Amino acid sequence: SQQGEEDPQALSIQEGENATMNCSYKTSINNLQWYRQNSGRGLVHLILIRSNEREKHSGRLRVTLDTSKKSSSLLITASRAADTASYFCATDGLNTDKLIFGTGTRLQVFP
Amino acid sequence: NAGVTQTPKFQVLKTGQSMTLQCAQDMNHNSMYWYRQDPGMGLRLIYYSASEGTTDKGEVPNGYNVSRLNKREFSLRLESAAPSQTSVYFCASSEQIFREGGYTFGSGTRLTVV
Repeated sequence: SQQGEEDPQALSIQEGENATMNCSYKTSINNLQWYRQNSGRGLVHLILIRSNEREKHSGRLRVTLDTSKKSSSLLITASRAADTASYFCATDGLNTDKLIFGTGTRLQVFP
Repeated sequence: NAGVTQTPKFQVLKTGQSMTLQCAQDMNHNSMYWYRQDPGMGLRLIYYSASEGTTDKGEVPNGYNVSRLNKREFSLRLESAAPSQTSVYFCASSEQIFREGGYTFGSGTRLTVV
């Protein structure tokens, strides 16, 4: 079964707008990661946030983590057409080296 | 510096045929993984290898076998392909999950079983 569930399933915005995607998960984790997948390609690692961190930034990306609510959000600021992709959250359970992925959010950024 | 290389990129099999999907990484990573991706299902873990010489089942191992041939290579075998195994298969590797780099993925193998 999937550990993470992303919301919304699909999101369409104009270039320059911000995009926010949410992820909820079920069990305690060591860390949560976000990945991007362009159509027909493999996944690319974007950012990792540890369970003892609440917020992390990387360029135009901002990730928050609320372990009490078992949820995370990914904010992409000033979106570009090149940000069009599917975005997945992934979590690892305690004492394990394997990631469980959510179902993804499809982001479409219109020029 | 190829990262993770998967072969073949595309394959069509008839029901009952067998095949092996190849994966190799050149980053000296300890751990390797096989996932399948189906529409609306995200990625599901088939098998993984935490280190050379070890393999373990993931969420959906039935119908598959794996071999960690050496530190670089991790193959996935379908002994008797079924239409339900039509999917896109991704191999990934990681040094250690608690480091910042996360997983490195290959570009995938698109498999159709008819």
